[in-house]
Amino acid sequence: GAGVSQSPRYKVAKRGQDVALRCDPISGHVSLFWYQQALGQGPEFLTYFQNEAQLDKSGLPSDRFFAERPEGSVSTLKIQRTQQEDSAVYLCASSLNGQGALTEAFFGQGTRLTVV
Amino acid sequence: GQNIDQPTEMTATEGAIVQINCTYQTSGFNGLFWYQQHAGEAPTFLSYNVLDGLEEKGRFSSFLSRSKGYSYLLLKELQMKDSASYLCAVGPAGGSYIPTFGRGTSLIVHP
Repeated sequence: GAGVSQSPRYKVAKRGQDVALRCDPISGHVSLFWYQQALGQGPEFLTYFQNEAQLDKSGLPSDRFFAERPEGSVSTLKIQRTQQEDSAVYLCASSLNGQGALTEAFFGQGTRLTVV
Repeated sequence: GQNIDQPTEMTATEGAIVQINCTYQTSGFNGLFWYQQHAGEAPTFLSYNVLDGLEEKGRFSSFLSRSKGYSYLLLKELQMKDSASYLCAVGPAGGSYIPTFGRGTSLIVHP
């Protein structure tokens, strides 16, 4: 596609439920980032992939959060046993180059997760 | 670590000029980005500075001083549609290529 696509756009989950958020990056983009954005805040880094390799997951807040990008394109962010503090917008971004070349990141519109 | 500071909110009048400042303290530096984010939408890229000086792109300009850890975004001839959050993001050096974002400056343009 022409841009980064995320689905679903909105997700309401009951506390304790597992959720899976999908990101389709721009075709050919090497780098893929997941960010979490709380209301009124800037995006907070969660994890980074270069192709299929997860090179940095230091931002994942707990072991309930898991991300994968098995074929180096589509990525899924999974949150197990959701808690109310997980409510946020989850943004995915991709950029053309990988390690050693910082280029602009293109963002998807995000998935707004509300845990009730 | 990274520390990025920008004002929380600014207001300006349609047709005016506004400057949004960003200061940063990072363990390395590999470029500074500005993004615009309208409410409920994705951040969109505005500018990228890696060298000192001013980069001009239409009504928007971005300035960088690496020695001072300082950048600003200058918006001229403000329009109502410029009301948005403006995010400053720093790309650290040393093999970490992950942009770190500030909390954003909410700009309100009024008639």
